[in-house]
Amino acid sequence: GQSLEQPSEVTAVEGAIVQINCTYQTSGFYGLSWYQQHDGGAPTFLSYNALDGLEETGRFSSFLSRSDSYGYLLLQELQMKDSASYFCAVRRYGGATNKLIFGTGTLLAVQP
Amino acid sequence: DVKVTQSSRYLVKRTGEKVFLECVQDMDHENMFWYRQDPGLGLRLIYFSYDVKMKEKGDIPEGYSVSREKKERFSLILESASTNQTSMYLCASSTKREQYFGPGTRLTVT
Repeated sequence: GQSLEQPSEVTAVEGAIVQINCTYQTSGFYGLSWYQQHDGGAPTFLSYNALDGLEETGRFSSFLSRSDSYGYLLLQELQMKDSASYFCAVRRYGGATNKLIFGTGTLLAVQP
Repeated sequence: DVKVTQSSRYLVKRTGEKVFLECVQDMDHENMFWYRQDPGLGLRLIYFSYDVKMKEKGDIPEGYSVSREKKERFSLILESASTNQTSMYLCASSTKREQYFGPGTRLTVT
């Protein structure tokens, strides 16, 4: 089978750093993606890790450890606009090579 | 900018009706996807297509079918709508690295 686990909710204050963890169990693993979704909006792509290590894009970083089946999204210098749901998604082979299996999402609340 | 559009933002249908949800992308992507999103369940893959007229079942295909007659258009069909198909439906097209989502269709079946 396949499964992804991530916390359902995280709360942090403006200016702080928050880490959202994701553990997965799947066959045919290619990589781990992260998507952001604001309330009422469409998911938007944040990052993709195919190899172990840290990928940095501005205030956001994403990490992958394939041996531990684990990854995280790190958000620095939190802003109110970062309040959203964050989904990790495993990319696995399934006919189309970028078929994604999504986690259930982490709702991040940034407080002033 | 990549653009994925969906035919309706909100739709209300009656039980037993045949429902068509349309999705169009303008980036010449080969891969297109249909998901449904329900609270606490995340995004679940219904069907995907990797080429014109080619399709594969996702994780929850029961009660749905799809059509891809042209590369830019991917349609989701509810053959006989039921109340448990009330949900947000999201279409996406993708490169190898990134999926681009449409704004979603909130379907209510009464």
